[in-house]
Amino acid sequence: EAQVTQNPRYLITVTGKKLTVTCSQNMNHEYMSWYRQDPGLGLRQIYYSMNVEVTDKGDVPEGYKVSRKEKRNFPLILESPSPNQTSLYFCASSPGPLGSYNEQFFGPGTRLTVL
Amino acid sequence: ELKVEQNPLFLSMQEGKNYTIYCNYSTTSDRLYWYRQDPGKSLESLFVLLSNGAVKQEGRLMASLDTKARLSTLHITAAVHDLSATYFCAVDHWGSQGNLIFGKGTKLSVKP
Repeated sequence: EAQVTQNPRYLITVTGKKLTVTCSQNMNHEYMSWYRQDPGLGLRQIYYSMNVEVTDKGDVPEGYKVSRKEKRNFPLILESPSPNQTSLYFCASSPGPLGSYNEQFFGPGTRLTVL
Repeated sequence: ELKVEQNPLFLSMQEGKNYTIYCNYSTTSDRLYWYRQDPGKSLESLFVLLSNGAVKQEGRLMASLDTKARLSTLHITAAVHDLSATYFCAVDHWGSQGNLIFGKGTKLSVKP
């Protein structure tokens, strides 16, 4: 089944404890992206990647890192999480650059709470 | 700075009625996307509009794009309860290959 998977789905952690949220897609998509969703603020893009080893900042990259060493995986790393990073996170993928291709496929979301 | 505004943010309508959701954006772009999100769920892609004058329809939903006015509309025809969801528009930064700015979303509730 074609899908985007995220792990974990739920995570409660403490300030400063490094964590990684994994994202994997099995559709051989070139484009992948991370978003966070907060009440009243909608979705905001954190980072995106056009292909392996090619990443760029979205609108709220501070406090996050990403890597794209393989086409299928795009992990989101929080080196030192803070409470303001408590949010619902979505990973998404698309066959190619959004201007040329169509829809994004979204993962199920990861709800992160930082105490 | 690219800003995307949706109106209204909340919409309660009766089944069978028509209504339009508006998405305005502040700088040049010719790529606009509509998404749907059901409560507690992920997002689903609805429409991709890639040029001025683009119009796409799926069932009771029709989306259009006017790049000169920097405006997209999502028109709902004869609403049914199943359309209750939050609808987001998103705009691609000009020249980027996927730097998206989302509107805050329109929460639609369709009542019998």
